[in-house]
Amino acid sequence: EPEVTQTPSHQVTQMGQEVILRCVPISNHLYFYWYRQILGQKVEFLVSFYNNEISEKSEIFDDQFSVERPDGSNFTLKIRSTKLEDSAMYFCASSFGQGGVQPQHFGDGTRLSIL
Amino acid sequence: AQRVTQPEKLLSVFKGAPVELKCNYSYSGSPELFWYVQYSRQRLQLLLRHISRESIKGFTADLNKGETSFHLKKPFAQEEDSAMYYCALRVAQKLVFGQGTRLTINP
Repeated sequence: EPEVTQTPSHQVTQMGQEVILRCVPISNHLYFYWYRQILGQKVEFLVSFYNNEISEKSEIFDDQFSVERPDGSNFTLKIRSTKLEDSAMYFCASSFGQGGVQPQHFGDGTRLSIL
Repeated sequence: AQRVTQPEKLLSVFKGAPVELKCNYSYSGSPELFWYVQYSRQRLQLLLRHISRESIKGFTADLNKGETSFHLKKPFAQEEDSAMYYCALRVAQKLVFGQGTRLTINP
C-alpha cells in the first residue's frame, strides 16, 4: 500500500537556524497538509496546499513558516528562524480529495528538536 | 468554535472485556468524523470514518448527532488493540483532533 514518507525522522537544530522538513505524498494525491504535535498536546493543523498554493492555514502558520512543492513529488515545510517552542513532531499528510470519502493519510512524522 | 473532546487520557481494560473510547464534538455544520490509531512508534492510521459505517478490526463507531458523539466501541478487546486513539473532525480542509486516549489492554 502506498505511504506518505517523511525525512528526516529526527532533526536537531540550533535556535534561530532555518530548517526544512521534507515529505513525499502519495503519488496520485492532490491535497497536502502539515500538522504538528507538541509533546503532550493535541495534533494541530498548520497548513493545507492544493493546486500549488496554500488553501488554508492556521494561526500557528505565521511568516516564519512556508511550504513548497518544488517538483512533482516533494512537499516541504520550512521554518525560517526556529524558536524553542517549535520543538514538536511534524506530520505530513495527503489526500486524493476532500471529505470523508477521501481521508487524509499521514507520514511517520519528523521529530524537530530546537536547542 | 469547532472542538473535539476525548475525556479519557488513559483507559485500561482486560483482554476480552468491552472497550468504549469516548469522543464528543462541537460543530455547527454537518460533521465528518474519523478515528485514527497510532500504534507504538508508528504513524497515525485511519481506523474508521463515520461516512462508511464500517467495522475495522472489530471496532465500530456510530455518529449520534443528538448527543454530538462518535464513540469507538469493541465488544472484546485484544492485546494488539493497545495504542493511542485519536478522534478527529473535518472542518473545511483541516482535521481537528481530540487529545487522544491511550488504550492499554491487560492480559
